[in-house]
Amino acid sequence: QVQLKETGPGLVQPTQTLSITCTVSGFSLTSYYMQWVRQTPGKGLEWMGFIRSGGSTEYNSEFKSRLSISRDTSKNQVFLKMNSLKTEDTGVYYCARDPLPIYWGQGVMVTVSS
Amino acid sequence: DIQMTQSPPSLSASLGDKVTITCQASQNINKYIAWYQQKPGKAPRLLIRYTSTLESGTPSRFSGSGSGRDYSFSISNVESEDIASYYCLQYVNLPYTFGAGTKLELK
Repeated sequence: QVQLKETGPGLVQPTQTLSITCTVSGFSLTSYYMQWVRQTPGKGLEWMGFIRSGGSTEYNSEFKSRLSISRDTSKNQVFLKMNSLKTEDTGVYYCARDPLPIYWGQGVMVTVSS
Repeated sequence: DIQMTQSPPSLSASLGDKVTITCQASQNINKYIAWYQQKPGKAPRLLIRYTSTLESGTPSRFSGSGSGRDYSFSISNVESEDIASYYCLQYVNLPYTFGAGTKLELK
């Protein structure tokens, strides 16, 4: 069955880079869009961006200058990297499948604090 | 970006009540609105897509309607398992944007 699971650092210091991995099973990354959505106390749910089945990406301009989404199809993994973190980036980060998010991971809590 | 104005922020209902949540988009979204349910500590769950199409497994007491800029989501005969937060999402244009959410509580 379709499964997605995010793994990440938990705690990141301000100005540092966040790296989260989404490991999937039950489907091929070359057949589906994968996206990242976050939920923060300040802004609620925010769509961050996606990587298409063909590998091209789209980003929310809110994050564009500091966000990167990539994948390793051989490892069934999708990656989020966001630099210049601020305390306001504290929240839960989800990966989700499909252009309209249907299948979601459990989310990973990220705290940005010194 | 399309702004989604969702109301009310919170709602108190008794079991068996009918409740309605609305979302107004800042421009015509051509029915490309979805509704999600989220329980504490869990990821959002897609209930309805394209205004009124129920996802597999969504109980028939959930419904959606609307057009243009104005959309609504209803739960008839609220059950205890419906206590959650609900969010609308427009997916006609990038970036997709969510409403601020409605927290449904038991009266």
